[in-house]
Amino acid sequence: GEDVEQSLFLSVREGDSSVINCTYTDSSSTYLYWYKQEPGAGLQLLTYIFSNMDMKQDQRLTVLLNKKDKHLSLRIADTQTGDSAIYFCAESIKDTDKLIFGTGTRLQVFP
Amino acid sequence: NAGVTQTPKFQVLKTGQSMTLQCAQDMNHNSMYWYRQDPGMGLRLIYYSASEGTTDKGEVPNGYNVSRLNKREFSLRLESAAPSQTSVYFCASSVRRDNTEAFFGQGTRLTVV
Repeated sequence: GEDVEQSLFLSVREGDSSVINCTYTDSSSTYLYWYKQEPGAGLQLLTYIFSNMDMKQDQRLTVLLNKKDKHLSLRIADTQTGDSAIYFCAESIKDTDKLIFGTGTRLQVFP
Repeated sequence: NAGVTQTPKFQVLKTGQSMTLQCAQDMNHNSMYWYRQDPGMGLRLIYYSASEGTTDKGEVPNGYNVSRLNKREFSLRLESAAPSQTSVYFCASSVRRDNTEAFFGQGTRLTVV
């Protein structure tokens, strides 16, 4: 079955790096995503990685994918208070239209 | 450029009442989704639709029905609301299967008392 797991909370100091982790079970996923949800709002796509890639960098964001261990991580460099939000990883399942989300990680950035 | 529009934004229902949550997208997307968001459980897929006239069950379809009458609109119906259906509901759409980005509505906060 499809299952996506994340830790629920992460707290970091402003200026430090944040690393948010995610594990998934379905090996047939094609794309893996990171979405951000700010309070009272819907989700917005931050970045995504195709399943045959190991790493993707986009400004302050670095995505690492370990396909063997089914582990995805999002690193945010120089974390700012505006990065405080809930971060969801998600996977799209091959040959379906399913988009499965994780439990979300609440990132809190303190001064 | 509205994107994905959900109505209503807030709703309170009594147990046993019925209602329909509306969702419309103006991006000519093929795929549409309904999720519910509960604390500590992330987003769970209720139903999805790959194209007009087709719908499929997600992880938690019980107690819900959906309708994809045209490409733009995908509605979610609660026939007999239960307190366990108290949640925030999100509609989303994407261009195609194996989508590259899903666009979300602002959510509907539903309370069933």
